[in-house]
Amino acid sequence: GQSLEQPSEVTAVEGAIVQINCTYQTSGFYGLSWYQQHDGGAPTFLSYNALDGLEETGRFSSFLSRSDSYGYLLLQELQMKDSASYFCAVRDSSEGDQGGKLIFGQGTELSVKP
Amino acid sequence: GAGVSQTPSNKVTEKGKYVELRCDPISGHTALYWYRQSLGQGPEFLIYFQGTGAADDSGLPNDRFFAVRPEGSVSTLKIQRTERGDSAVYLCASSRGTSGTSSYEQYFGPGTRLTVT
Repeated sequence: GQSLEQPSEVTAVEGAIVQINCTYQTSGFYGLSWYQQHDGGAPTFLSYNALDGLEETGRFSSFLSRSDSYGYLLLQELQMKDSASYFCAVRDSSEGDQGGKLIFGQGTELSVKP
Repeated sequence: GAGVSQTPSNKVTEKGKYVELRCDPISGHTALYWYRQSLGQGPEFLIYFQGTGAADDSGLPNDRFFAVRPEGSVSTLKIQRTERGDSAVYLCASSRGTSGTSSYEQYFGPGTRLTVT
């Protein structure tokens, strides 16, 4: 089976940088993705890493180390609107590189303070 | 273009009743997923479709839950003999496909909040 661990809460101030970590255990690995969810809203795709290294998309970057079964989401120049829950997710490995079943972590609630 | 839509947005039902939740995916997306989310938790996979067929229904908790996608577009999640433990937000998502990166970029609808009293 698969399991993911991420901190339940993180607090930071506007303009700062915050890192949300995710460690995973899978029998097969095909990539790590990140989703953002505002209170009462739908999860929104942020990024995907299949290979080691850093992927940058504007203020958000995502990092993956497959040897450490670890990834993180980095948010720079924090804004109040970044207050939300952030989920890491992996594909269920039973289907190999096919199949769409995602396993989500419990989520990290980010609070951005003025 | 239009995103994923779900109806109803809220559903309150009595224990033991039958409910249907509808999902209208993004046009052209061949894969459709159902998840369930409880407060403070991540989405929990229920079932996904590739076209009209259920490719993986391993997440359905029991035989009271059933989903269909008869024409490869709109899907309906059906719950029989509802129980209080079924109360959750039911999320639908769609993606262009299920191979490679396609399945990692899933587009979610706003969800249906189901409350069983």
